[in-house]
Amino acid sequence: DVKVTQSSRYLVKRTGEKVFLECVQDMDHENMFWYRQDPGLGLRLIYFSYDVKMKEKGDIPEGYSVSREKKERFSLILESASTNQTSMYLCASLENTGELFFGEGSRLTVL
Amino acid sequence: GQQLNQSPQSMFIQEGEDVSMNCTSSSIFNTWLWYKQDPGEGPVLLIALYKAGELTSNGRLTAQFGITRKDSFLNISASIPSDVGIYFCAGQSSGTYKYIFGTGTRLKVLA
Repeated sequence: DVKVTQSSRYLVKRTGEKVFLECVQDMDHENMFWYRQDPGLGLRLIYFSYDVKMKEKGDIPEGYSVSREKKERFSLILESASTNQTSMYLCASLENTGELFFGEGSRLTVL
Repeated sequence: GQQLNQSPQSMFIQEGEDVSMNCTSSSIFNTWLWYKQDPGEGPVLLIALYKAGELTSNGRLTAQFGITRKDSFLNISASIPSDVGIYFCAGQSSGTYKYIFGTGTRLKVLA
């Protein structure tokens, strides 16, 4: 079974803090994604990566950056967290078959 | 970002009843995925569809890839209380790794 693991299930941070969200997949997938999910807005793509050190902006990249130094690990970085970044963050990894597998989610609260 | 139209938005059903929901798009898709998401958890992939007209089952769940390639349907037979959750679809066009997601159907099952 494909395993996508997000490092933190719940985080509480203060405005202005730097936040790292990490995601690891164990299936040698090339394509990995970061989404945020908010009520009424659905899933919105922040960034995706199609290979090591390769990334592309999604629909809402402002205020975020990403890092993909190793194939199995895709990190989302909030350089200076703001209250409007309080959300559920979901990492996903894409199988060659087209199946997209999600992690358990990271619920971030910014105070 | 774009979202797919999914209906119904929510439904209450009695245990043992069958459930139907659908997703429609203005674009043609090559792949349809269906997910279930429990509160506070990441989405779990239920079924993947790759071909127009394809009908695929996973236990009590059956999904179909619409002939026009612009819609997909999910049926749940003989619903049970643990079917409660949010179901959503995702569609992928050719030439892109990105998925577009449905607005979700919230299912509540009355025992």
